[in-house]
This record gives sequence, structure tokens and C-alpha cells, in this order.
Amino acid sequence: GAGVSQSPSNKVTEKGKDVELRCDPISGHTALYWYRQSLGQGLEFLIYFQGNSAPDKSGLPSDRFSAERTGGSVSTLTIQRTQQEDSAVYLCASSSPGQGDYGYTFGSGTRLTVV
Amino acid sequence: SQQGEEDPQALSIQEGENATMNCSYKTSINNLQWYRQNSGRGLVHLILIRSNEREKHSGRLRVTLDTSKKSSSLLITASRAADTASYFCATAASGNTPLVFGKGTRLSVIA
Repeated sequence: GAGVSQSPSNKVTEKGKDVELRCDPISGHTALYWYRQSLGQGLEFLIYFQGNSAPDKSGLPSDRFSAERTGGSVSTLTIQRTQQEDSAVYLCASSSPGQGDYGYTFGSGTRLTVV
Repeated sequence: SQQGEEDPQALSIQEGENATMNCSYKTSINNLQWYRQNSGRGLVHLILIRSNEREKHSGRLRVTLDTSKKSSSLLITASRAADTASYFCATAASGNTPLVFGKGTRLSVIA
């Protein structure tokens, strides 16, 4: 596609429920990243996929968070047993190898609200 | 953890003035990038400067990098109301490691 697509745009869920967030990166981009941003804060790294390599999960805050990337394309971030502190905007980005001079292309994010 | 720290946290200027934002970081880097964010959603890549570069220009943007001081600055010349946004610096330890973002500078350009 022309850009990075994320769905849903907004998600309201009850505490304790599981949620799945989807990211469709730019075709041909081998690197995919998940970040989250709490209100008025910077971006917190969550997980990084590069090609067929094992993902870098070092940023996942707890074992309730997991992510997969199928076929080197679409990625799903799953949060189990959601808590109120999980409320944030979850941003996905993709990039081509080595980043070049173009950096990351971000999606518009999913705003997650846990009530 | 956040490596880049932007300064100031917030900046308000009149249209036509120049805006300067600074970023400091702690460890060695491969490159440093600046991004803009409108309305708290997706970020837009503005410019990338490599560790062996000292200055780079793109339109009304000028970025400098001082690796000895571990700092960078972003200058926006002749600002416009449409430049109102949050600006983030981000650093990469290598070409294949995830970017580490700062907390950003909120720029308001008043018409």
C-alpha cells in the first residue's frame, strides 16, 4: 500500500479483556516496529521485526504483551488481560533495510482506552 | 529508556520567526533523526543526519550534529502556523537497531 495502515483507529475495552492491534506495513519494507505513546509523552519502543530474524522483544513491558508478523508482512500486537495503564496510542512503523535517508514511515496509530 | 532529550519542552513563537529546538543524547550513535507529530498520532520523518555529518539542510529545515557534545539542533526558518506540532529527535545506535525517541518539543506558531 501507499502507507502504513493500522486498525482499528480507536479501541475501547474493558479491563481484563484481550485486544489485538493490526499493522500493515509498506510493501517491501522488511523492518517493522511497534511503539506506544502515553498522553504527552515520547515514544516507548516495544518490539522490532527484521526480515526472518528473531524479533527484538526487549521493549515489551510484561508477558501480557506479544506480537507476531506473518509472512514478513502484516503484524499483530496482542495485549492480554488489559490494564488501565495500557491505555495509550500504539504506533507501528516500517522501514527499508538500513533506513537510508528516509527513516521510518509511521501509521496513524491505534488509540487504546481501557475502562 | 529514552536517550534523546529535547529542549525546550515547549516553544511559542510568532509566524515568520525562526524556531530552534535542541536534542541531547547519551551514547554513541550511527544517525540522528527528527520527526514531526500533529495531533498526537502518526509521526512524519523530517530529516536524518549521520554521525559523520555536521550539518544538513532540507527546505526550511537546518539540522546540526555535534558528536563531541552529543547534541543536535533543529532550526525551522520563517515559521508558519502549519509548523505547529510536536518535534521529536530519535537516535539509532546502528543502521539496524530501533530508534530511541525523546519526549519532544511542542512548537506553537502564532499567526
